[in-house]
Amino acid sequence: SQQGEEDPQALSIQEGENATMNCSYKTSINNLQWYRQNSGRGLVHLILIRSNEREKHSGRLRVTLDTSKKSSSLLITASRAADTASYFCATDASSWGKLQFGAGTQVVVTP
Amino acid sequence: EAQVTQNPRYLITVTGKKLTVTCSQNMNHEYMSWYRQDPGLGLRQIYYSMNVEVTDKGDVPEGYKVSRKEKRNFPLILESPSPNQTSLYFCASSLSSPGLVNSPLHFGNGTRLTVT
Repeated sequence: SQQGEEDPQALSIQEGENATMNCSYKTSINNLQWYRQNSGRGLVHLILIRSNEREKHSGRLRVTLDTSKKSSSLLITASRAADTASYFCATDASSWGKLQFGAGTQVVVTP
Repeated sequence: EAQVTQNPRYLITVTGKKLTVTCSQNMNHEYMSWYRQDPGLGLRQIYYSMNVEVTDKGDVPEGYKVSRKEKRNFPLILESPSPNQTSLYFCASSLSSPGLVNSPLHFGNGTRLTVT
């Protein structure tokens, strides 16, 4: 079963708008990561947030983590057409060496 | 260039015909893993390897085999492919366990397998 579940499944916005997607997970975690996948390509690591952190920034990305609610959010500010991709959260909760991914949020940014 | 290389990119085969998908990384990573991606299901882990000669089952290992005889290579073997193994496959590697800070997964570009 999947550890992480992203919401929404799909998101369509215009350039310049912000995109927010959420990830919920089931068991305690050490870290939570976000990855991006351009159509049909391999995933690319975006950012990692530790369980003792509440917020982290990287460029136009802002990640929050609420361990009491077992949820995380990824915010992309001032989105660009190049941000069109699927975004996945991943957690390492189950055991050492096993990183589990959610089903992803598909984001489409139109010019 | 640091990368994970999978071959082939596309493969069409018939039920029961053994096949191997190769994966190689040039970053001296200890950890390697195979995932399959299916619509609506995200990525599911097939097998992973923490180091040479050490392999472990992921969440969906049935029908697959792997080996890790060298650090850089981690081939995925389908001894008798079936149509339900039609999927997009990704190999990935990381410095150490991918759950650790500073050890993110690096992915190959995928192998799209169709079994008829």
